[in-house]
Amino acid sequence: AQTVTQSQPEMSVQEAETVTLSCTYDTSESDYYLFWYKQPPSRQMILVIRQEAYKQQNATENRFSVNFQKAAKSFSLKISDSQLGDAAMYFCAYRSLLRGNYQLIWGAGTKLIIKP
Amino acid sequence: NAGVTQTPKFQVLKTGQSMTLQCAQDMNHEYMSWYRQDPGMGLRLIHYSVGAGITDQGEVPNGYNVSRSTTEDFPLRLLSAAPSQTSVYFCASSSPFNTGELFFGEGSRLTVL
Repeated sequence: AQTVTQSQPEMSVQEAETVTLSCTYDTSESDYYLFWYKQPPSRQMILVIRQEAYKQQNATENRFSVNFQKAAKSFSLKISDSQLGDAAMYFCAYRSLLRGNYQLIWGAGTKLIIKP
Repeated sequence: NAGVTQTPKFQVLKTGQSMTLQCAQDMNHEYMSWYRQDPGMGLRLIHYSVGAGITDQGEVPNGYNVSRSTTEDFPLRLLSAAPSQTSVYFCASSSPFNTGELFFGEGSRLTVL
């Protein structure tokens, strides 16, 4: 069975600095999706970034980028130029590409604190 | 763009009462699911459905029932509420034709006294 591990329960960063959130996963599959979701205090779950495992190029969305290391089964999220609005829980998630499998496997989350 | 709509957003129940959390999506998604999120924890899957008439249990199904009579709607029923069911509940949907992510409702905070 697949598992997702976020080893940092909490991280803090100074506003305008860069922070990296860690995520590792375990799978025997070769094709899958990986996601980072953000959950601000409003509790809405917001997709930050996605990565298809077959793509070697790391995904980027504005100030958010990932470091996808398939062999190491690592999927870290880098937030550049941190802003106060980035303060939230961040969840890493895995989804198999097997036919009919829609379920996401979730990490426990990392709380990101932004210091003004 | 309505997306995934959950109602109610807040509810307080007494132990033993029943209620239904409603979830509707307008994206023609096959897959719908219910999660619960407890303080300081991630999401745990309660029930899910891969199409109308098809439902299955997730990680924590006890105390909850679901049905899927239409593609759009996936209600979650608590038959006899217990304090252990105090939580925030999320409905989410997905399609095999999109890029794999779940689309979430805004969440429903349930308190059982």
